[in-house]
Amino acid sequence: EAGVAQSPRYKIIEKRQSVAFWCNPISGHATLYWYQQILGQGPKLLIQFQNNGVVDDSQLPKDRFSAERLKGVDSTLKIQPAKLEDSAVYLCASSLDSSGRERFFGPGTRLTVL
Amino acid sequence: RKEVEQDPGPFNVPEGATVAFNCTYSNSASQSFFWYRQDCRKEPKLLMSVYSSGNEDGRFTAQLNRASQYISLLIRDSKLSDSATYLCAVGGGSNYKLTFGKGTLLTVNP
Repeated sequence: EAGVAQSPRYKIIEKRQSVAFWCNPISGHATLYWYQQILGQGPKLLIQFQNNGVVDDSQLPKDRFSAERLKGVDSTLKIQPAKLEDSAVYLCASSLDSSGRERFFGPGTRLTVL
Repeated sequence: RKEVEQDPGPFNVPEGATVAFNCTYSNSASQSFFWYRQDCRKEPKLLMSVYSSGNEDGRFTAQLNRASQYISLLIRDSKLSDSATYLCAVGGGSNYKLTFGKGTLLTVNP
């Protein structure tokens, strides 16, 4: 079974620039999550999709972050404009549904903002 | 009080040692509990779910204490390959939102 795919794996940008990350979840997984993991911290949920609808975006900094999952499959997360404190690994995860089942994580995108 | 707190670590133990990690959570209505393992510069992977009755998988034993609101992970006969960061995760709410602890770094030395 193919895992969660993410791209790019690494990205270096300057502050105030824009960046976008892409995620393709495991086939058939209805729930998709974006997490931010700052060095030395655990993953923090940014947004959770159930199919193409948002069910939790309470910790998404909406003034600069946006995410979409238009067809209920793959998803993009965008940051515009980036700040130094956005340097982190952005992890996409998926699960069959939102009923507490295991989250399967992708390899992440390591973002460095200079 | 933070939602999920873990032993700060790091833990450095010799091969063959037994090591235990604890994790406390603040929301008494939490419904699901997990231990994830994260290797350096890799993604988290599920190690074990934690059930009320406790559960064991080979050298790993997980326990849940709802009254005191903590979960634990015991690793017996540590191997070099057990070196990793161990993250506890606690889920709850209508969408089973998962909140992770900061993680505890374990290094098993030869």
